[in-house]
Amino acid sequence: DQQVKQNSPSLSVQEGRISILNCDYTNSMFDYFLWYKKYPAEGPTFLISISSIKDKNEDGRFTVFLNKSAKHLSLHIVPSQPGDSAVYFCAASAWGAQKLVFGQGTRLTINP
Amino acid sequence: DAGVIQSPRHEVTEMGQEVTLRCKPISGHDYLFWYRQTMMRGLELLIYFNNNVPIDDSGMPEDRFSAKMPNASFSTLKIQPSEPRDSAVYFCASRGLGNQPQHFGDGTRLSIL
Repeated sequence: DQQVKQNSPSLSVQEGRISILNCDYTNSMFDYFLWYKKYPAEGPTFLISISSIKDKNEDGRFTVFLNKSAKHLSLHIVPSQPGDSAVYFCAASAWGAQKLVFGQGTRLTINP
Repeated sequence: DAGVIQSPRHEVTEMGQEVTLRCKPISGHDYLFWYRQTMMRGLELLIYFNNNVPIDDSGMPEDRFSAKMPNASFSTLKIQPSEPRDSAVYFCASRGLGNQPQHFGDGTRLSIL
């Protein structure tokens, strides 16, 4: 039972364009969401988060959007840079809970 | 600041042997998490500690797996006896109080032959 799903295993985007990574969840108790970025042979690195009281959170080139009614969130990266090439994981938890549930990840490749 | 430190980075051993993975969390962090990443199951939580006390070990696959946190700066994950299906990348993460994100170590790549 996958509670957090990233349906696109991979995504290829041209440098300078927008990258949009998607994530769906099924558990209505989830109200805190995070995106992590992972390079090969390294651990996941925290990127940005959003709580359910918001529908948007922005940090530089990265913006996360949350649609609670659709149980869907997305990460926008604009403009995309070669260093953004990595695997991106969506994660979710219930507020106050410590356990994070991760999606399977999306491999983003930025082409020059 | 030093991040979460895991050792060894790679471990190759024969089935039936005991394996011990080590983790040093970020100083001051109250929570410590052990994860396993495989192609089939992705990144899954095995166990987590709060103030050195195990809180939830429901993700530990079976009795062959055990984890300890003898003090605030050290934790171990032990597999005894190891089996080929335990081959995976094992991550340790820590976080502080409140809704802070978890910070991950670089993982231990374990291969059981």
